[in-house]
Amino acid sequence: SQQGEEDPQALSIQEGENATMNCSYKTSINNLQWYRQNSGRGLVHLILIRSNEREKHSGRLRVTLDTSKKSSSLLITASRAADTASYFCATVPYNTDKLIFGTGTRLQVFP
Amino acid sequence: DTGVSQDPRHKITKRGQNVTFRCDPISEHNRLYWYRQTLGQGPEFLTYFQNEAQLEKSRLLSDRFSAERPKGSFSTLEIQRTEQGDSAMYLCASSSRGPDTQYFGPGTRLTVL
Repeated sequence: SQQGEEDPQALSIQEGENATMNCSYKTSINNLQWYRQNSGRGLVHLILIRSNEREKHSGRLRVTLDTSKKSSSLLITASRAADTASYFCATVPYNTDKLIFGTGTRLQVFP
Repeated sequence: DTGVSQDPRHKITKRGQNVTFRCDPISEHNRLYWYRQTLGQGPEFLTYFQNEAQLEKSRLLSDRFSAERPKGSFSTLEIQRTEQGDSAMYLCASSSRGPDTQYFGPGTRLTVL
């Protein structure tokens, strides 16, 4: 079963606005990763943050991790229509290599 | 293209038939993973290999499912006596070391009629 829950389930914004997605998980982790999935396609890795890191940036992406609250957030700044996709957080629980995915956030960016 | 490839991309079968999917990982990656994704949900872990050894299997992987990676390169996932509930996207991923970034293939979409 899935470990994480994401909030919101769906998000609609205008181009140029920022989009924030939140993820909560249940167990101790080695790292947390965010993936993007366009409709009916495979998953694209966006960013990985390790359990001893608190914040990480990559281009227009900013990820935070709070291990005490077992939560993470993904911020996409200056969104574009091409950012329209589903976004999933995935944790790697301690002592395992597998990814445990959340339920996903469907982001719609209107031009 | 040096990414993860999966074959076939789509498979339609009748209930009770057997199906086999293939995954070719990125060539230098020794870890290979299978996930299943149903509509509107996140992917769920099925099993993974380090080289040819199958190291972990999910409880989701019933005895109708079997996966192999005989030479530590490509992998196959077989489903015997398919059921309508097996309809899903089957995703394969690989990584060079765990736990680390996994690179996903395009998936095989299975429809069981």
